[in-house]
Amino acid sequence: GENVEQHPSTLSVQEGDSAVIKCTYSDSASNYFPWYKQELGKRPQLIIDIRSNVGEKKDQRIAVTLNKTAKHFSLHITETQPEDSAVYFCAASRGSGGYNKLIFGAGTRLAVHP
Amino acid sequence: GAVVSQHPSWVICKSGTSVKIECRSLDFQATTMFWYRQFPKQSLMLMATSNEGSKATYEQGVEKDKFLINHASLTLSTLTVTSAHPEDSSFYICSASNYEDGSSYNSPLHFGNGTRLTVT
Repeated sequence: GENVEQHPSTLSVQEGDSAVIKCTYSDSASNYFPWYKQELGKRPQLIIDIRSNVGEKKDQRIAVTLNKTAKHFSLHITETQPEDSAVYFCAASRGSGGYNKLIFGAGTRLAVHP
Repeated sequence: GAVVSQHPSWVICKSGTSVKIECRSLDFQATTMFWYRQFPKQSLMLMATSNEGSKATYEQGVEKDKFLINHASLTLSTLTVTSAHPEDSSFYICSASNYEDGSSYNSPLHFGNGTRLTVT
């Protein structure tokens, strides 16, 4: 089955700096790669996703890149703010007709210091 | 749109009792829902896929007789933890997709608020 590895497990940056989180996946048939942000005790919230027919996607300060050949994808957060502090999870899935069996990475705990 | 509601948000039960958790899609129909479990400071681990009108599909290592899943309608899936033990204490989260969001591609997965189960 699919296996998703995520690095680093913790990341500490100064406010205004950029943060990069990287994930690799094992199943070459995976075609959907979302990123979730989870604050303590709350549900994961989708922040951005990318599909296998696209190499890069950007939404304001957040961007995701996908390298299908290498089977890795990354989350980039620019101009970080303290409210970006949370646990971020990458995930991957394959399926048809909207069957979303998502497999998650281990998570990255991001701390943004003022 | 695409709101997933989960109830209860937290529950404390005694060892040996059973607990039922409900997951509802409020503004869309979900033929498939997913149940995840998350231990403190760990990732979300897929437990099972709940299919409306048919049996659930369980991930390897998840006991189907212990974690009973029922998906009787297009808007409701339930997870019952039977004969709960302290090691079952965890954060259980359901999720579902509104397929109308994505047509031929995978559509975004939306999560419920989760249920924190504590077994004493």
